[in-house]
Amino acid sequence: GNSVTQMEGPVTLSEEAFLTINCTYTATGYPSLFWYVQYPGEGLQLLLKATKADDKGSNKGFEATYRKETTSFHLEKGSVQVSDSAVYFCALKAAGSGQNFVFGPGTRLSVLP
Amino acid sequence: DADVTQTPRNRITKTGKRIMLECSQTKGHDRMYWYRQDPGLGLQLIYYSFDVKDINKGEISDGYSVSRQAQAKFSLSLESAIPNQTALYFCATSDFRTGELFFGEGSRLTVL
Repeated sequence: GNSVTQMEGPVTLSEEAFLTINCTYTATGYPSLFWYVQYPGEGLQLLLKATKADDKGSNKGFEATYRKETTSFHLEKGSVQVSDSAVYFCALKAAGSGQNFVFGPGTRLSVLP
Repeated sequence: DADVTQTPRNRITKTGKRIMLECSQTKGHDRMYWYRQDPGLGLQLIYYSFDVKDINKGEISDGYSVSRQAQAKFSLSLESAIPNQTALYFCATSDFRTGELFFGEGSRLTVL
């Protein structure tokens, strides 16, 4: 079946540090890939997405590139801020799946001033 | 105002009680979902509905039921709550064109 694996957290960084959160997936066909972010006390919201191989999604300084050869969609940011502290979820939507998303377990990021 | 609204936001109940969580949306989406979030497990799909007459079980539907009262309303019921249903529950809608999910702020349920 389809699945998403994320690096385990929590991840603690100092402000302005470089961030990478690894995400790999298993899916048949060509899924769409997403990163969702959950700030404290809030629901998940879409951070970025990519719908085909080699696409790069970007938003708020975050980037992720759809790598079909390595089945990966790693999240990166060059300089994190305290306000980036949140839980980050990698997710996929398999082609032809109706609308069923598969989420990773989430990675908690804490950024210290 | 939030596009996807969940009530109640927090609820504490006892084993065996019936609980209903309600969700309403103003996004005009046909597709609605209920997810459960447990620490370290990500989100698990309970039920989903592609329109008012369509209800589908997700991966963890046992112990839950849903009702799609209108395009904008989708409620989740626990007929007889048990402690391992203690979790954070999210309602979501989706735009079938973009595939993006839009989440409510969550309903935290504690079953004692």
